[in-house]
Amino acid sequence: DGGITQSPKYLFRKEGQNVTLSCEQNLNHDAMYWYRQDPGQGLRLIYYSQIVNDFQKGDIAEGYSVSREKKESFPLTVTSAQKNPTAFYLCASSSRGGGPLNEQFFGPGTRLTVL
Amino acid sequence: AQRVTQPEKLLSVFKGAPVELKCNYSYSGSPELFWYVQYSRQRLQLLLRHISRESIKGFTADLNKGETSFHLKKPFAQEEDSAMYYCALSVAGGTSYGKLTFGQGTILTVHP
Repeated sequence: DGGITQSPKYLFRKEGQNVTLSCEQNLNHDAMYWYRQDPGQGLRLIYYSQIVNDFQKGDIAEGYSVSREKKESFPLTVTSAQKNPTAFYLCASSSRGGGPLNEQFFGPGTRLTVL
Repeated sequence: AQRVTQPEKLLSVFKGAPVELKCNYSYSGSPELFWYVQYSRQRLQLLLRHISRESIKGFTADLNKGETSFHLKKPFAQEEDSAMYYCALSVAGGTSYGKLTFGQGTILTVHP
């Protein structure tokens, strides 16, 4: 598998600490996304970015922050303000513009556990 | 706001039996619907999209705008179909273009 990489695979954090999850893609995609996957709740969109230096809040952005300084990279910071951060986090990318033929490609995910 | 509902968290069938995974959506405009699948220890990946009207791995899905549904069907299930299936909706146009809204997911188990 190439395309989209996420690191680390597993991450442990103490309460009150910020932590940054890495997402890199070499697909030359303009759009990138962060989702949170919880059992029984499906995937929920945290943040997305259609182009470098621009991003929008998704459905559950509170307690998270992102940056998009490079086309290839879209790191997600889980801040201490996030009330329930323990979850599986998925990053995805797609060609710009969306559309019915626009497939999102997903990374392998990072499992974050708050101790 | 758009919403996607998959009423079954778990679905079990025997090999060779027909399978139908239900998906209903609510959206006032023209939706673009997708099915994504996550096999054990693999990444989430696109299975099929309604606009292509294609059959992938024997699965088909028809968009029924009257019933606001996009059910996934396969006439004869195989053990390798066991996976988590997500229905997803994308809106056309506007600042949310390309953003996907996912359902809660259905875990399909095909027994031998």
